[in-house]
Parts: sequence; C-alpha cells; structure tokens
Amino acid sequence: DIQMTQSPSSLSASVGDRVTITCRASQGISNYLAWFQQKPGTAPKSLIYAASSLQSGVPSKFSGTGSGTDFTLTISNLQPEDFATYYCQQYNRYPYTFGQGTKLEIK
Amino acid sequence: EVQLLESGGGLVQPGGSLRLSCAASGFTFSTYAMSWVRQAPGRGLEWVSAIASGSSTYYSDSVKGRFTISRDNSKNTLYLQMNSVRVEDTAIYYCAKSASGGSYYHFDYWGQGTPVTVSS
Repeated sequence: DIQMTQSPSSLSASVGDRVTITCRASQGISNYLAWFQQKPGTAPKSLIYAASSLQSGVPSKFSGTGSGTDFTLTISNLQPEDFATYYCQQYNRYPYTFGQGTKLEIK
Repeated sequence: EVQLLESGGGLVQPGGSLRLSCAASGFTFSTYAMSWVRQAPGRGLEWVSAIASGSSTYYSDSVKGRFTISRDNSKNTLYLQMNSVRVEDTAIYYCAKSASGGSYYHFDYWGQGTPVTVSS
C-alpha cells in the first residue's frame, strides 16, 4: 500500500497568515493527489485534485503543487472559516490512502 | 445539485450484519464510480471500498471478505453490506462520488455520513 505522510500534524496560525502543508507519498503517484478540508462534525469537502486543480467553487486562496512523491497545499490570507483539518489522499492505485491529517488552529 | 444521502447506520453487535445505503441525485448515477470512506471516532479518513460504473469492485484489506459493495442503478443507490462486523468497524461511513466512471479518479462530492457503532 502507498503510505501518505503529512506534516505538520498540527499548525497554529493567525488570521491573514499564509500556511503550507506538505504531503509525501511512499512511492511515486504522478499527480494523482487530492486535498480535502474537514470541519468538526461535518463531511470532508473536496478542495484540490490532480495535485493542483481547484475543485469547482473553491476559492483561489487554496493552491496545490507537486508531482511524484512530494506535494504541498498552501492557504493564503487565512480567515476564521479556514481553520479545520486538512487531508491529502492518493488515488493512483488501490487501496486509496489518506494522510493522517493536519489540524490548522487559530493562534 | 449533487446530493448523496447515507442511511442504515446504527448499533450492531460484534459478528452481526448491517446494510448501509447511499441515495444519489443530481447526476447520472450509473456513469460514475462510487466509494465508501469511513472515519473512526477521533481518527482520520480510511478508504473502505469502491465500485466502478461497470460494477468492478475494490476493497481495503481490513474489510475484504466481510463487506460487499454494490449498486442499483435503477434506484440511484449505492450499498455497503457489512457482515461479521468488529468493534474496529465503528466509524462514520461516508459515500463519495468519483469524478468519472472508471478507477483512479478523485472524489468530487461526499455525503453527510451515517454512524455505525459495533458494541455488545
């Protein structure tokens, strides 16, 4: 199975900040990488697919980069509604696997 | 508008069975692959199973041989038959729509989830 490792596991930031979350795959997955946002008690929301393509309706403050094994999610101009847990996921092969999550908290 | 509505969750004893459903609307259900993803209390997301538009099926090792994914395109409904459940199957179960009918496409929509608790 492909292991996905996110860092950091948690992150404190202030409103207006720009943050970057990284995700590393245990083997190359080309650009078959998605990012999701999840707020407490709610379902995950799709943000980015194919490593850098924005899901319809997602604001451009979210951006993704990477290919192969190393990927990043950057969120600019943090707003209160952005504080949540973020997950990466590979869909290059079954079983699909997720990173352990990065909890973004308000400083 | 795409909508995915899960149902069927509840309390079940270890070794018992449960069938989850996911009613889909707002898109041509038969032409898209679908998945089940679960989240144990306080834990991360875990992919469970997928079914392609052509009905090929895929499972995680943790549920293979115990769970069965299926779809009824006439009812626009996805199912997960859970047999021989274990305490570690306790989780919220989400259905997720893939962006295409085949394998290796991202999820674009998620349901709100249905909770399953396995306990005696």
